[in-house]
Order: sequence, then C-alpha cells, then structure tokens
Amino acid sequence: ETGVTQTPRHLVMGMTNKKSLKCEQHLGHNAMYWYKQSAKKPLELMFVYSLEERVENNSVPSRFSPECPNSSHLFLHLHTLQPEDSALYLCASSLGQGEPGELFFGEGSRLTVL
Amino acid sequence: GQNIDQPTEMTATEGAIVQINCTYQTSGFNGLFWYQQHAGEAPTFLSYNVLDGLEEKGRFSSFLSRSKGYSYLLLKELQMKDSASYLCAVMDSNYQLIWGAGTKLIIKP
Repeated sequence: ETGVTQTPRHLVMGMTNKKSLKCEQHLGHNAMYWYKQSAKKPLELMFVYSLEERVENNSVPSRFSPECPNSSHLFLHLHTLQPEDSALYLCASSLGQGEPGELFFGEGSRLTVL
Repeated sequence: GQNIDQPTEMTATEGAIVQINCTYQTSGFNGLFWYQQHAGEAPTFLSYNVLDGLEEKGRFSSFLSRSKGYSYLLLKELQMKDSASYLCAVMDSNYQLIWGAGTKLIIKP
C-alpha cells in the first residue's frame, strides 16, 4: 500500500474507444505524474502536475489527455489509441515538483489496445 | 544525450550477495535513486544518494561515485522475495528524473 491508488488495474480497448484512467493519492502531496512503462524500456514521463497546474508535457500525442481536478486526483483520458500504446501506465506523486524527493507510485493500469 | 545503463538481467543464489551496477551520463546531477519493482506491483523507493560513498540500509546498500558517473546497489543475504526489477534513476540539473531500463534480478534456491 503506497498511498496511491489507480483504477482500473487492467483495461482492454479498441482503437475507436474512449476510456479514462484514474489515480488518487492520499498522501497530501503537491505533485502528480503519469508515466508509461513498456517492457525493457525506461520509464517515460508523460505529464507532470504541480498544485493542479500542468508543468510539463513531454511531447505526448494528443490522443492522451490529462486532467487534474484537485491535488489528490489525476486522470488520463484516452481516445483513438494505437496498438503501440499498449503498456503499463503508472501514476506517481511526490511532496513537491522540481526538487529531490521520493516518488510514490500506484500499481499501474495495464492497457491493451486491440 | 542523457543516458542510464544497467544490466538487463542478473541471476543469483539465495543467501548470496549480488551487485547491480548503474552508469549514467546526464546534464547535471541532483542525486541518484534506486527503486524496486516486483512483477505486477508499484515501484517502491529503496535509496537516494547525492554524495559519494556508501549508504547502508539493512541488507541493501547503495554506492555512488559522481566523478565516475557510477552507482551500485548491493543486496546481501539474498531471499527469494528479492526477485524483482531494480530501477536506477538520476535527477538532472533541471530536477528531471532520467530512468534506466531496469535490471531483472532472478533468485534461485
């Protein structure tokens, strides 16, 4: 139990579907992150939010759309995805952004795009 | 470019010692992290080094040499539950985390 909860844990969708991933942190942290984890590849940072404002978007395709309604919740909206988007999507939080500090990860949402 | 290198996979025997190496080339340095990730689970923080030397935490130790761009994670008295992937990450001058691809550690009885 890391204090970061992600739902759903598994998701299968077609290329024309629209779905959303949800992340909730109970740690009182100010920064939240979306990462993509593919087999045998480094973690790829997708989005960073600090105090509910997006501070970084690492050139992620527009078919991924993040939303941060408050400091405890983070969503990743998915639409018209491609099979190469199949991966584990990890949410993380930290006390602050732009400073050394431990990341607390959720267990991830395993996404399969058919 | 920025780069983190670590072995893809290692095998060790229960009760033994294993050292997982990590070399890095980054734009600046604000510390090096090690995370453990069991299959199907969240990565969890193991250690943070920002100064040269060895940090010991129970059966796990982490070493850093900034001049060599090198770190290692040392696991002693290996247990079956130590089978996991170990992720090395460096925080660069912009406080961005640069990640290695991870080392899958297999422990055999």
